[in-house]
Amino acid sequence: GAVVSQHPSRVICKSGTSVKIECRSLDFQATTMFWYRQFPKQSLMLMATSNEGSKATYEQGVEKDKFLINHASLTLSTLTVTSAHPEDSSFYICSAQSGPYEQYFGPGTRLTVT
Amino acid sequence: AQSVTQLDSQVPVFEEAPVELRCNYSSSVSVYLFWYVQYPNQGLQLLLKYLSGSTLVKSINGFEAEFNKSQTSFHLRKPSVHISDTAEYFCAVSVGAAGNKLTFGGGTRVLVKP
Repeated sequence: GAVVSQHPSRVICKSGTSVKIECRSLDFQATTMFWYRQFPKQSLMLMATSNEGSKATYEQGVEKDKFLINHASLTLSTLTVTSAHPEDSSFYICSAQSGPYEQYFGPGTRLTVT
Repeated sequence: AQSVTQLDSQVPVFEEAPVELRCNYSSSVSVYLFWYVQYPNQGLQLLLKYLSGSTLVKSINGFEAEFNKSQTSFHLRKPSVHISDTAEYFCAVSVGAAGNKLTFGGGTRVLVKP
């Protein structure tokens, strides 16, 4: 089956620093990838839709200057959390679309900002 | 805008007993429906989906869900659970006109007891 990887799986950073999370589709090309945020014991909230070669589309309430998304190739999308603060600590999950209504999810990245 | 409600946040169940996870949605247009499973500290895995055709859909590991348009529901069932079914289950909808963006319910935590 289709595999999506995320790197790193866990990251701890200090307040004020930036963190980059990578999402890769390993065995298929994905023109569209999605970034979600999941708080403990809560559901996933879509942050943005990442389209290869164009600007990401952010959901209402998501700061695009804080959460920078780059979809540089058909197999890689990156999410950079800029000037991270403790309230940005969360579980970030990406998914890649392999076809109509076919989304495969990465294992997630747990970000802790101290 | 569409929304998804999972009525039970937690469902404890004994091994080999049946389980039903309830999911209701609201949408003004036709929807596509999904159930995902999330094991601890992992990403989401697709369990089953309804796009069109038969309203009863089944997964390879014994789960089934029935799309009921009049009730706007997509409840998930399994006649006999295993310890390994302990996980978080998310119901999600996608609206065709909005592409493949998924809106998730709050999740139901299933705890299978021996």
